[in-house]
Amino acid sequence: DAGVTQSPTHLIKTRGQQVTLRCSPISGHKSVSWYQQVLGQGPQFIFQYYEKEERGRGNFPDRFSARQFPNYSSELNVNALLLGDSALYLCASSLFLLAGSTRGDTQYFGPGTRLTVL
Amino acid sequence: DAKTTQPPSMDCAEGRAANLPCNHSTISGNEYVYWYRQIHSQGPQYIIHGLKNNETNEMASLIITEDRKSSTLILPHATLRDTAVYYCIVRVASGGSYIPTFGRGTSLIVHP
Repeated sequence: DAGVTQSPTHLIKTRGQQVTLRCSPISGHKSVSWYQQVLGQGPQFIFQYYEKEERGRGNFPDRFSARQFPNYSSELNVNALLLGDSALYLCASSLFLLAGSTRGDTQYFGPGTRLTVL
Repeated sequence: DAKTTQPPSMDCAEGRAANLPCNHSTISGNEYVYWYRQIHSQGPQYIIHGLKNNETNEMASLIITEDRKSSTLILPHATLRDTAVYYCIVRVASGGSYIPTFGRGTSLIVHP
């Protein structure tokens, strides 16, 4: 079975531009989360979507938005790009909404999209 | 903010056991501890998770202390391919869901 897939693999943009990143979850998984990982740090949570609804949001500005489609795939959009948005953007899927006490909600990560803002 | 504390780096000889500690003293009663690893510039790879009992799978063993304030990931026979950053994660309750919170992890170097 295919794992989490993300596209594109690499992307170069200039300041002020907009970017859309795409993610396809593992078949059967209904939850998708997005993370930003800057060099030297651990991934930072941006969004979680479950059944096409936003169910969690990290401390990121409104320039960041996302959506989930009926087939559970997801897009992350970033507007008005800044140099500091350069990072590895990770998508992770899980069967269910992340919860503290449920065994079925292990997240599996995709390979990421490397975004460079010049 | 991360709710876990890990040493920034460790090293281990190939073929020996690698024991990676994690402190999670503020963990609540129903939170699982998850371990992932990340090889340079790839997506994090799930390793194992547990609640209060020790767990073992084909990749590793997880030992959780009785008070659940700390845990240790054990790679029984480390290989060069186990060189990676290892993250111990608990989830922070936020808006009805639980958000995985990553710290900086432990950079494990396995040497010949």
